[in-house]
Amino acid sequence: GAVVSQHPSRVICKSGTSVKIECRSLDFQATTMFWYRQFPKQSLMLMATSNEGSKATYEQGVEKDKFLINHASLTLSTLTVTSAHPEDSSFYICSAGLAGRQSYEQYFGPGTRLTVT
Amino acid sequence: AQSVTQLGSHVSVSEGALVLLRCNYSSSVPPYLFWYVQYPNQGLQLLLKYTSAATLVKGINGFEAEFKKSETSFHLTKPSAHMSDAAEYFCAVSGGYQKVTFGTGTKLQVIP
Repeated sequence: GAVVSQHPSRVICKSGTSVKIECRSLDFQATTMFWYRQFPKQSLMLMATSNEGSKATYEQGVEKDKFLINHASLTLSTLTVTSAHPEDSSFYICSAGLAGRQSYEQYFGPGTRLTVT
Repeated sequence: AQSVTQLGSHVSVSEGALVLLRCNYSSSVPPYLFWYVQYPNQGLQLLLKYTSAATLVKGINGFEAEFKKSETSFHLTKPSAHMSDAAEYFCAVSGGYQKVTFGTGTKLQVIP
């Protein structure tokens, strides 16, 4: 149980375009989902926390107008990278926490490799 | 506030040798502690977690970790390394509702 999927797994886009990444909890409901960014050979950096039905909370230094997060249902959160630039190329990973309790555990998706040319 | 320090960004061991990956944490509240493994171009897989029950935690693939409050440590061990253990390992701490802080990771190399 507790499976999280991400789509697409890889995406290549041209500079200036927007890209949407989906994160789904397949067999449980997640009131909270997290978006991370991972640079090569580095750790995960939390970008934002999204709660179903409300605005996402962004970490310091993360541009909320550039990285749009929508958590429309208990099983789906999306991250849209707007007007992408080559420096946005990275590995994006989402995670989901179980709903209904003070969960301390997150379940991670397989990640999305974004390359902006 | 919470933080994690992983000592050694790269660790090399011979196949069959002991694996020891070090992790020290800081937390203002009783912590939950995790070890994750990441293979290239993949997400994170939970190896094991400490949740204030037994201090010696056993995980998947033969890994275990011991919570030592006096040393604020949560080192990961495996008695005998296997080639398939080569990956990046992340220690993480959570002191509150779901927010997790990750260490910088340790890349484990297993030499045949």
